[in-house]
Amino acid sequence: EPEVTQTPSHQVTQMGQEVILRCVPISNHLYFYWYRQILGQKVEFLVSFYNNEISEKSEIFDDQFSVERPDGSNFTLKIRSTKLEDSAMYFCASSYPSGLNQPQHFGDGTRLSIL
Amino acid sequence: DQQVKQNSPSLSVQEGRISILNCDYTNSMFDYFLWYKKYPAEGPTFLISISSIKDKNEDGRFTVFLNKSAKHLSLHIVPSQPGDSAVYFCAASVGNTGKLIFGQGTTLQVKP
Repeated sequence: EPEVTQTPSHQVTQMGQEVILRCVPISNHLYFYWYRQILGQKVEFLVSFYNNEISEKSEIFDDQFSVERPDGSNFTLKIRSTKLEDSAMYFCASSYPSGLNQPQHFGDGTRLSIL
Repeated sequence: DQQVKQNSPSLSVQEGRISILNCDYTNSMFDYFLWYKKYPAEGPTFLISISSIKDKNEDGRFTVFLNKSAKHLSLHIVPSQPGDSAVYFCAASVGNTGKLIFGQGTTLQVKP
């Protein structure tokens, strides 16, 4: 069964450094998403992306965050200047919206630790 | 953001019995609801979904019930198996391409 893959599985970065999290969505999917889960909290939506542009973003997704689909397979999340509070699990998801009941499928996440 | 709530943090059932996980929501614009299962160190795995035009959807041992007037949905697992032990999240969206709003999760333990 096709999967969403994320790399790296764990990223440790110094505060203030830039970090790029990578995702390969399922190949025929058209919608792409990033979510995060801070330890002990809910999974929170960050951003959705369709047709090479952001379709929706949350309050969390401020100017420090950006997303890109640099080629036909990768989808990346960049955090320009990381803060301690950016430490979380970051999940990528994708979906193929061909009609009703097309769920989002998630990768296994990248654990981001900011020191 | 309290739009989706799972009020039971944990549930323990005996193998072979029914597991019932509950979820409440407040936003009447939600029209698509999903259940995900999550094991440690893995991402959420899609289990089953339901759109607001239905009140029940079944897939093998998993059934989701939706009560729109009560803004409540539930996931029934029958019969429960030890491999079902995981954290279960309900999620909701407006449209099936919209952002998902997640509940806090319920940890299910199925005892052999």
